Amino acid sequence: DTGVSQDPRHKITKRGQNVTFRCDPISEHNRLYWYRQTLGQGPEFLTYFQNEAQLEKSRLLSDRFSAERPKGSFSTLEIQRTEQGDSAMYLCATGVNEKLFFGSGTQLSVL
Amino acid sequence: AQRVTQPEKLLSVFKGAPVELKCNYSYSGSPELFWYVQYSRQRLQLLLRHISRESIKGFTADLNKGETSFHLKKPFAQEEDSAMYYCALSGMDSSYKLIFGSGTRLLVRP
Repeated sequence: DTGVSQDPRHKITKRGQNVTFRCDPISEHNRLYWYRQTLGQGPEFLTYFQNEAQLEKSRLLSDRFSAERPKGSFSTLEIQRTEQGDSAMYLCATGVNEKLFFGSGTQLSVL
Repeated sequence: AQRVTQPEKLLSVFKGAPVELKCNYSYSGSPELFWYVQYSRQRLQLLLRHISRESIKGFTADLNKGETSFHLKKPFAQEEDSAMYYCALSGMDSSYKLIFGSGTRLLVRP
């Protein structure tokens, strides 16, 4: 599969634990996005990187969330002190021009 | 405020019937509009965008700036069209980030 890759596919954690997700983009795409999707809703924008620079963060992204993209390649999204409300599908997408390519997502369940 | 509204959560039609998935948007400027589709057990993927004025898998969508709408249409639905459809807009800035509607599930029955 030469598309956007996300790991893990599923993550179950207890409230208060920290979790980290990884996204490996399509190699020539310099823009990378993180979205969150809850049941019955469309994806909601969280943050955006141009190469290694994080250029925009949504107000949805609380202080417990941090994203990095060292060297402008793969990206990680960390959630500290998880809450039940963090349960969602976390999607990564990379882009060339106006077209975005999405990964399969990481489904997070916080018990 | 930037917003995309898809009023129907579920649209059920019989095979061969026409389909129209509604999308309205709110944006202070000239956005670019998209339709993304997610088939069962597959990832979200681009179906079409207004700027290219193309027909993909028999689907078309026309941007109506007066009504701020971008409805998706197909004259004859097929069972393989069953999927989740998301309308999205992108502002004309360098981020190209997408704002999505809540989606409409299209169910095409035999």
